[in-house]
Amino acid sequence: DAKTTQPTSMDCAEGRAANLPCNHSTISGNEYVYWYRQIHSQGPQYIIHGLKNNETNEMASLIITEDRKSSTLILPHATLRDTAVYYCIVKDSGYALNFGKGTSLLVTP
Amino acid sequence: SQTIHQWPATLVQPVGSPLSLECTVEGTSNPNLYWYRQAAGRGLQLLFYSVGIGQISSEVPQNLSASRPQDRQFILSSKKLLLSDSGFYLCAWQPGRSSYEQYFGPGTRLTVT
Repeated sequence: DAKTTQPTSMDCAEGRAANLPCNHSTISGNEYVYWYRQIHSQGPQYIIHGLKNNETNEMASLIITEDRKSSTLILPHATLRDTAVYYCIVKDSGYALNFGKGTSLLVTP
Repeated sequence: SQTIHQWPATLVQPVGSPLSLECTVEGTSNPNLYWYRQAAGRGLQLLFYSVGIGQISSEVPQNLSASRPQDRQFILSSKKLLLSDSGFYLCAWQPGRSSYEQYFGPGTRLTVT
């Protein structure tokens, strides 16, 4: 699985969009980009995934650059409950999810 | 809809005591099942996964074992706990072999004293 790089921490004001970047410059053609988040003392929660096209669901949007070397997770209207560690994972096969250290997002009132 | 249960939620056990953590999934059949551990301030480490009843694969050597006696039941065990076994234990399920989304349970926080 390709390595990912994320900022250690980010802040976002409540009600504003939170844009979380992820670099995955060594991604291969059949690897998907997955995003999970972990709220303190809870299990990780699946958010969204994509291969080439941008994706949107009820939680977030995923924007993948045309060369697929980076992506951005967008939470359109962040709330205090979105404070969590966000993990970007690139994967094509195998069983383990390598969570890395992720980005700690703090949503402030 | 599918749900995943883990129990107990918290556990304090002395060194050398046995361990049994249980995970069950509802609303799906033949899921892939996973046990992860998260030590304090660290990332998630995959311990075991199972693609079917009685089929267990171990990712790291340790004094833990896993079993899958039924399709939607996954058990994590130890005969003698070590201090280093303390951590947050998470069970996860995956819908099928063609998708990689994993859905996690609420976790068990184990403290070995």
